Amino acid sequence: DAKTTQPNSMESNEEEPVHLPCNHSTISGTDYIHWYLQLPSQGPEYVIHGLTSNVNNRMASLAIAEDRKSSTLILHRATLRDAAVYYCILRKRVVQGAQKLVFGQGTRLTINP
Amino acid sequence: DVKVTQSSRYLVKRTGEKVFLECVQDMDHENMFWYRQDPGLGLRLIYFSYDVKMKEKGDIPEGYSVSREKKERFSLILESASTNQTSMYLCASSFTHLPNYGYTFGSGTRLTVV
Repeated sequence: DAKTTQPNSMESNEEEPVHLPCNHSTISGTDYIHWYLQLPSQGPEYVIHGLTSNVNNRMASLAIAEDRKSSTLILHRATLRDAAVYYCILRKRVVQGAQKLVFGQGTRLTINP
Repeated sequence: DVKVTQSSRYLVKRTGEKVFLECVQDMDHENMFWYRQDPGLGLRLIYFSYDVKMKEKGDIPEGYSVSREKKERFSLILESASTNQTSMYLCASSFTHLPNYGYTFGSGTRLTVV
């Protein structure tokens, strides 16, 4: 399974943008980049995904490097509710069977009021 | 609203008991997964299933078994619970052929084995 590398922790201030980096130098051409967040005592929840182009949704934006070896999750205006662990994961396209998600340690994001 | 439902939020069992953790999804997903999460170790995959009656071992299957008799239900079985199986257990589901869709997780079952 292709691996991702993220900083263990990051800190930001409320109402400021947050850029969460992820390196995935061994990504293959058919791997999708997925981001999940996990609040305390909750299961992970899907945030956003992308393949080659930058993506925006109501929760966040995903910026993908041209060579696809890194990506950045962008929270445009952090709130206290964004404090969570964020996971960057590669998901492969498979013809049949299940494709398991392999979680790293993620980045623990702290938001200061 | 689509969801994955885990039968219990908190569970306390005795060492040696047989424990069943149930997970149900209402999204017609082909794939279902069981993870456990421990401080410092992150989420680790125990078993997964890509179809009814099919199962695959994950990274830490020892001491566990699973059952998938219906598409919507995936059960995790601790044959003889031990204290080192005290953990948060998370169930997830997904489509097979849609890698642009996310996985949906349940809220978790915190199991304590005493």
